[in-house]
Amino acid sequence: DVKVTQSSRYLVKRTGEKVFLECVQDMDHENMFWYRQDPGLGLRLIYFSYDVKMKEKGDIPEGYSVSREKKERFSLILESASTNQTSMYLCASSSSGYYGYTFGSGTRLTVV
Amino acid sequence: DQQVKQNSPSLSVQEGRISILNCDYTNSMFDYFLWYKKYPAEGPTFLISISSIKDKNEDGRFTVFLNKSAKHLSLHIVPSQPGDSAVYFCAASVSGTASKLTFGTGTRLQVTL
Repeated sequence: DVKVTQSSRYLVKRTGEKVFLECVQDMDHENMFWYRQDPGLGLRLIYFSYDVKMKEKGDIPEGYSVSREKKERFSLILESASTNQTSMYLCASSSSGYYGYTFGSGTRLTVV
Repeated sequence: DQQVKQNSPSLSVQEGRISILNCDYTNSMFDYFLWYKKYPAEGPTFLISISSIKDKNEDGRFTVFLNKSAKHLSLHIVPSQPGDSAVYFCAASVSGTASKLTFGTGTRLQVTL
């Protein structure tokens, strides 16, 4: 069964901490994405990557960075966590030329 | 600027009846549209899609209609079942953009007995 695995289901971090959210896919997909889901705002794209070591800003990249050193792994980094980054974070992957995403189960991050 | 909008945050439908979820978009460059379904504490799962060269696509109980001139799409679920209770997101994409999807705000569907 194909999978996108997010390392943590729930995280609680303090304001100012550096936070790493990890995502691994086993489908050999070229494209990987990070979204956040907030009530009333839907899913908003933070960053995406269409190849190893490549990254593109999404709609809300401020306060975030990403790393893709290997094809199967895409990490989201909160450089200095703030309370307005409390959210559900969703990682997804897709194959080039195909629009359907496979999502992970999400990481519920709370910044206190 | 919300390019994909779902104006109904929630919808309640009786079991066996039709559920109609609506989605509007503003970017005329969008040419591929998808619907995703999300249960609590799970990631969204792909439901059905439609290309802009079509105006209708069916898959079992699910049908998506696309009206390009109105920049509007809708998802019909017939008959609705309690297991359909979830949040539904529509999404849109422009060809050749690394499959990047723009999602709507979501509609929570409740199917009652």
